[in-house]
Amino acid sequence: GQNIDQPTEMTATEGAIVQINCTYQTSGFNGLFWYQQHAGEAPTFLSYNVLDGLEEKGRFSSFLSRSKGYSYLLLKELQMKDSASYLCAVMDSNYQLIWGAGTKLIIKP
Amino acid sequence: DVKVTQSSRYLVKRTGEKVFLECVQDMDHENMFWYRQDPGLGLRLIYFSYDVKMKEKGDIPEGYSVSREKKERFSLILESASTNQTSMYLCASSLRGGRLNEQYFGPGTRLTVT
Repeated sequence: GQNIDQPTEMTATEGAIVQINCTYQTSGFNGLFWYQQHAGEAPTFLSYNVLDGLEEKGRFSSFLSRSKGYSYLLLKELQMKDSASYLCAVMDSNYQLIWGAGTKLIIKP
Repeated sequence: DVKVTQSSRYLVKRTGEKVFLECVQDMDHENMFWYRQDPGLGLRLIYFSYDVKMKEKGDIPEGYSVSREKKERFSLILESASTNQTSMYLCASSLRGGRLNEQYFGPGTRLTVT
């Protein structure tokens, strides 16, 4: 079957760095997405990786290793507004998104 | 900016009622999706549509139907609501062949069936 695994919850300190991991097993691969979802709000797009390596976008970076079925989202200089759930999703061979359950990130002052 | 709107943020219905959830997008997207989101589970796809009057079953279509009579509007119908359909319902849209197939989400409808 298809499976996306990510930690349920993580805690970090304001100003620090946090890495949220995502491992996947899917039928085919057409890219990996990270979305951010604040409580009670809609998910919003953060990043997309289809080739191995690191994609940097401001304070957020996303890494992909297709051979390992692994990705991470790196958040630097954490701010209180970064408290949210982070959703990992993989596009399979049918171009359908398979979603992880999300990682709830708690930022403490 | 892409805007996806949903008819209600909160909805309370009784078991057995017919429920309509409406979704409208204003960016001429071909693809539209209905998901439900439950604690501890990822987003689960109920139905999707790639064009007007076209629909495809997702992973959990049982107990649901959809309608897409116009390109901008995608409706989710619960024929006879049951308590296990209490959930957050999210609508999304994307461009066909668009950049990354990035999906844009509406704010969600939290449905409670009593």
